[in-house]
Parts: sequence; structure tokens; C-alpha cells
Amino acid sequence: AQSVTQLDSHVSVSEGTPVLLRCNYSSSYSPSLFWYVQHPNKGLQLLLKYTSAATLVKGINGFEAEFKKSETSFHLTKPSAHMSDAAEYFCVVTPRSTNAGKSTFGDGTTLTVKP
Amino acid sequence: DAGVTQSPTHLIKTRGQQVTLRCSPKSGHDTVSWYQQALGQGPQFIFQYYEEEERQRGNFPDRFSGHQFPNYSSELNVNALLLGDSALYLCASSLLIAGGSYNEQFFGPGTRLTVL
Repeated sequence: AQSVTQLDSHVSVSEGTPVLLRCNYSSSYSPSLFWYVQHPNKGLQLLLKYTSAATLVKGINGFEAEFKKSETSFHLTKPSAHMSDAAEYFCVVTPRSTNAGKSTFGDGTTLTVKP
Repeated sequence: DAGVTQSPTHLIKTRGQQVTLRCSPKSGHDTVSWYQQALGQGPQFIFQYYEEEERQRGNFPDRFSGHQFPNYSSELNVNALLLGDSALYLCASSLLIAGGSYNEQFFGPGTRLTVL
């Protein structure tokens, strides 16, 4: 069994300030973890992924996330928010085992960036 | 590379009808997964197809069925539509890699289904 909890349904930041989107997970298997972004009326785009290599993962557009097994967390950060970052963000867990692939999404965090 | 494509973009049906949604995976991918995303929620896993067979299934009733063709494209069928089936239906493709695990999924733009 696996589950994902995104701790904030809405996050609002000012342009140029840091972004923190929090994600906790649980998984019976060694997990692969992902962050996806969804802009209005657009498909899901992969930001970054963790699949058992380095625990600090760098993604596109300046985003990064750190896998902390002891805390079962995979928080997404960005040093400086841009207006174009305003979107819905999803944390996703997938078991990294044979016949894996069933992904579980969190409920999403809406990021608002104020000018 | 066209990426993952889905058709149609939008669809309006009435309760009790049946619907078929279509998905073409990213070039080189062999696995297709389907998700339902209700308004304001995260996508929910419906099922996954690999080698023309359903490999994994989420918590969805038998009204939801699918098919994968030899060219890896896939269809999602929903029978006896309910108002609650109104959602964005997303298709994702991936590649089964060595060791039995999957690489990341690439998502299509989705099909918006409205049931009246």
C-alpha cells in the first residue's frame, strides 16, 4: 500500500521569494517519487524524480527536492519564485518493484505567486 | 516526437451512455496507464496496460474497461455513464525497463468528459 499527503492545499508567495511545497509519503515498497506541475488547461509536466540515486534531486526551472527516508518526506523547493511558477503541483509515489507502475497522486498544492 | 496524444479533447454524453477515449503513447513506450482527475483533485489511477493485458487496476468498477493494441495505443471504455464520471481523463505512457521497474510517465493533455 502507498499514500501521499501534500501538507498544504494552497501556498502563496511573492515573486522572488523562496518556494516550499511539502509532501509526505508512505509505501510498502522502496518508492520512486516524482513532482509534476499542471498549468491551467495543460497536461502534467514532470519537474523531477527520485529513483534511489542521489537524495537531493534537481529538476527543471530551478526546482529541487530532497528525499528524506527517516522523515518519509519529499519536499519541493525553489530559491526564487517566478510569476510563471503559478500552477498546481502534485507529489507522486510509485513502487519501484516488479510490475510497478500504479502511481498514487497527492491532492495537489495550488501555488500562487504575487507580484 | 508528438508525445502522448489523446482524442477527443472534449466530450459531452448523457447518463447511461457509453464512451470510448483513445490514447497514443510516446514513441518507444510500451506501457499505458489511465487516470481520472475530478475537478480540484489529484489524478486517480484507473488501470495500466502492458503487452495488451491489464496489469494493474485501481479502485474503479467494472464499468471501466480498456484495451491495448499491438501498436501500444490504448482505449478506455466507460459503460452506463454516471454524473460522477464527469472528469478529465489522462493517459500516461512509460517504458518497462530492466529489473521490472518503470521509468517516469509522460502524460497526454487529457480528455474532458462531461456527463449530463
